[in-house]
Amino acid sequence: AQSVSQHNHHVILSEAASLELGCNYSYGGTVNLFWYVQYPGQHLQLLLKYFSGDPLVKGIKGFEAEFIKSKFSFNLRKPSVQWSDTAEYFCAVPGGNYGQNFVFGPGTRLSVLP
Amino acid sequence: DTGVSQDPRHKITKRGQNVTFRCDPISEHNRLYWYRQTLGQGPEFLTYFQNEAQLEKSRLLSDRFSAERPKGSFSTLEIQRTEQGDSAMYLCASSFLAGGPVFEQYFGPGTRLTVT
Repeated sequence: AQSVSQHNHHVILSEAASLELGCNYSYGGTVNLFWYVQYPGQHLQLLLKYFSGDPLVKGIKGFEAEFIKSKFSFNLRKPSVQWSDTAEYFCAVPGGNYGQNFVFGPGTRLSVLP
Repeated sequence: DTGVSQDPRHKITKRGQNVTFRCDPISEHNRLYWYRQTLGQGPEFLTYFQNEAQLEKSRLLSDRFSAERPKGSFSTLEIQRTEQGDSAMYLCASSFLAGGPVFEQYFGPGTRLTVT
């Protein structure tokens, strides 16, 4: 069965610090990987996605993620965080019987201190 | 606003009552999904529709839960005889299927259900 683990439950950083959030997955099909973000009081929105090709994927707001097949990982990175990056971050893979819905990780709460 | 909308945003009900939630997807999207999210967890898949056909249901969707999308546009999720364990945020998402793997899903703001 598909599964996603996120190592960090809550990360606290100061502004300008670098960020790396871990994501490991278990999935037997074609690897499609996603990061979603949920800002306080807002709905989930897509941050970035990987389907194929260059394993380093760039997303919105300066975020990037690297797919490392040998490690089953898709870690999210940002070189310098801002207070506005405070949010909950979810890693996701295709799930269900036909890979047509998402299986989400438990999420990582990021708090950026001004 | 042309995003996914959900109604109501909050619902408080007493145990044993029935509740119904509505989701209006992005108009050109043919896929509609329901997820449930509890505090400190990621969303968990419940069911999805392609047009009006319900194609998959999670084992989380007990007999007390039913979802419909009668005309392939909006969808309703009904919970009968609510239990305190049903308290959660119910999320709706939509996407456009063009074949192949799951594509980006656009999420609504959710309906927060509290069962007292």
